[in-house]
Amino acid sequence: DIVLTQTPLSSPVTLGQPASISCRSSQSLVHSDGNTYLSWHQQRPGQPPRLLIYKISNRFSGVPDRFSGSGAGTDFTLQISRVEAEDVGVYYCMQTTQYPVTFGGGTKVEIK
Amino acid sequence: QLQLQESGPGLVKPSETLSLTCTVSGDSISRSSYYWGWIRQPPGKGLEWIGSISYSGKTYYNSSLNSRVTLSLDTSKTQFSLRLSSVTAADTAVYFCSREQITAVRGVIQWGQGTLVTVSS
Repeated sequence: DIVLTQTPLSSPVTLGQPASISCRSSQSLVHSDGNTYLSWHQQRPGQPPRLLIYKISNRFSGVPDRFSGSGAGTDFTLQISRVEAEDVGVYYCMQTTQYPVTFGGGTKVEIK
Repeated sequence: QLQLQESGPGLVKPSETLSLTCTVSGDSISRSSYYWGWIRQPPGKGLEWIGSISYSGKTYYNSSLNSRVTLSLDTSKTQFSLRLSSVTAADTAVYFCSREQITAVRGVIQWGQGTLVTVSS
């Protein structure tokens, strides 16, 4: 199974400042069709997760443009350009390149 | 707008079978561009993929649960279901149903609200 390792575990951020989360895969996430199926999901406290970014860098419908994704192969990053209060929660990377689908352990974003 | 809603018992006894249903409203579950899945989250922990089922009934399971999991689809009722047999306390979790778009996104695009299932005698 593909293992996704997220760092940091926790990220205290000042409002208006940037935040960055890393997701490293135990093997390449490039699919045989040439695409890389790495997505990011946000889980606010007491809520189900919601999709933010798919295929490394594509923002899903309705996602603010302060969220961006980047990376390739085995190393990926989610960036929040200016953290707002509503961004507090846990962020998970997820790979759907290969079954079984796997998730990173999660990174908690909190306000300092 | 499509909505997903999980339903089922909130308490299951050890060694029994956990059964949950996800009701889809606002769209058909027979569309070829979607799969339907289940993901769980033990209290205070991370996410674990359980499995997915295609519009035609083809299934994909997490190998760690493979022998205990069964997914099924009921297109007439626009529902899909999860059965997990021989449960233990380790199966206590919030269970989410999900919609997966298999073309452009190839991944989960929507999550249900989740339902807590506790395994205890």
